[in-house]
Order: sequence, then structure tokens, then C-alpha cells
Amino acid sequence: DTAVSQTPKYLVTQMGNDKSIKCEQNLGHDTMYWYKQDSKKFLKIMFSYNNKELIINETVPNRFSPKSPDKAHLNLHINSLELGDSAVYFCASSRRTSGGYEQFFGPGTRLTVL
Amino acid sequence: GNSVTQMEGPVTLSEEAFLTINCTYTATGYPSLFWYVQYPGEGLQLLLKATKADDKGSNKGFEATYRKETTSFHLEKGSVQVSDSAVYFCALTPYFGNEKLTFGTGTRLTIIP
Repeated sequence: DTAVSQTPKYLVTQMGNDKSIKCEQNLGHDTMYWYKQDSKKFLKIMFSYNNKELIINETVPNRFSPKSPDKAHLNLHINSLELGDSAVYFCASSRRTSGGYEQFFGPGTRLTVL
Repeated sequence: GNSVTQMEGPVTLSEEAFLTINCTYTATGYPSLFWYVQYPGEGLQLLLKATKADDKGSNKGFEATYRKETTSFHLEKGSVQVSDSAVYFCALTPYFGNEKLTFGTGTRLTIIP
């Protein structure tokens, strides 16, 4: 029944490791997003995909690589993790159109890099 | 570029008090405006939205009116409850182009009984 799901919910890892976060939506939306929320709760978009095509790529280190195997899934792979990558990462989805359409958010993945 | 400015928190109110959280924006054209709410330990949920000038969004007793002349979208509620304690985010998407949400910094609201 969950509209947007993410796994894992918590991820604790050492600096230098590579990790992935998975996101799936069952809403039939064709646009998906990754947002990062820092320790001060500030939210910033990282990437957006529409029908498996990258349409938004903000200034994000190239250690972060999104992958969309189909329009219901958008995964985030992070190489060589750094302390500053510790944050909550939210996946979201929406219908592809200009303005006004709600983005549905997943529950978030809390990443802690030690 | 687009930006959203919210009043600084945290905000602490007594139950049944009147709530206003100020939000102003900078954007070209006619952006769509949103209020999202994040309850403790959860993801974001859309609280309300407005897509054109003078529209009023409302939900769960909360209201906000899209004021183009003052570029504002202030959130109000007449009588808050303890269950309204959360972080509130004002956000916009541009009228044209991509749909990325630009968020304000969030306002933490605590309601005490």
C-alpha cells in the first residue's frame, strides 16, 4: 500500500565505503526525485528523472550517481562516502507537468557516515 | 534564481492559540506554492497548495493565500493542537520548466498543552 518506499530506513557505514539507497513508487508517476535534508532540516534537490531520463542534476559531487531502471524505481548510489554525506535522503515522485502537482515523499533514509 | 524565505523558528505556542508562519518567495512568472509538513521521524506530507494568484489553499484547519502583490504565502491556523507539532516547510515550483521544489528553511512548531 505504501506509495513511495525507500530502503534501507537507516544506513550506518564507514568513510570510504560505497552504498546504495533504493526507491520505488507505485503511484504510476513518471517523475522521481532525490532530495537531501541536512542536520538543520534544510532540504535541497539533488536529481530528478522523468521516464528514466535525467532532467535535473543539481551541483552534486559525481560520487553520487542516480540510476533509474524503470519509471517506478530511482536508486541512489554513493561512492567513497564522506562524513559530510551524513544526512536524511528523501525520494519523491510526481506526475510530469508544469506547476501545481503534488510531490509524494518517501519516509527517508538516514545515512550516518562514521 | 528562485528562493523561499520562512520565518525563523522554533515557534512555541499554547494549545488553541492562533498560528501564523510567514513565507515570502522570489520567482519569475507564476510559481505554484506549497506548504509541506514533517512530523517527527517521518517524511514530508503536502499540507496545502495554491497554483495561481489569490488562490487559497486549505487543509486540516490550516490556510494560506497566494498573494502575488506581496509575494507571500503565509500559513495560518485559528486554533492549534498538540498534534500540530511538526516542522513546516514553504516551497515553490516554477511555472515553466522542471518541477523541482525549492524549499524554505523550515519552521519547527511546538504546541504545549
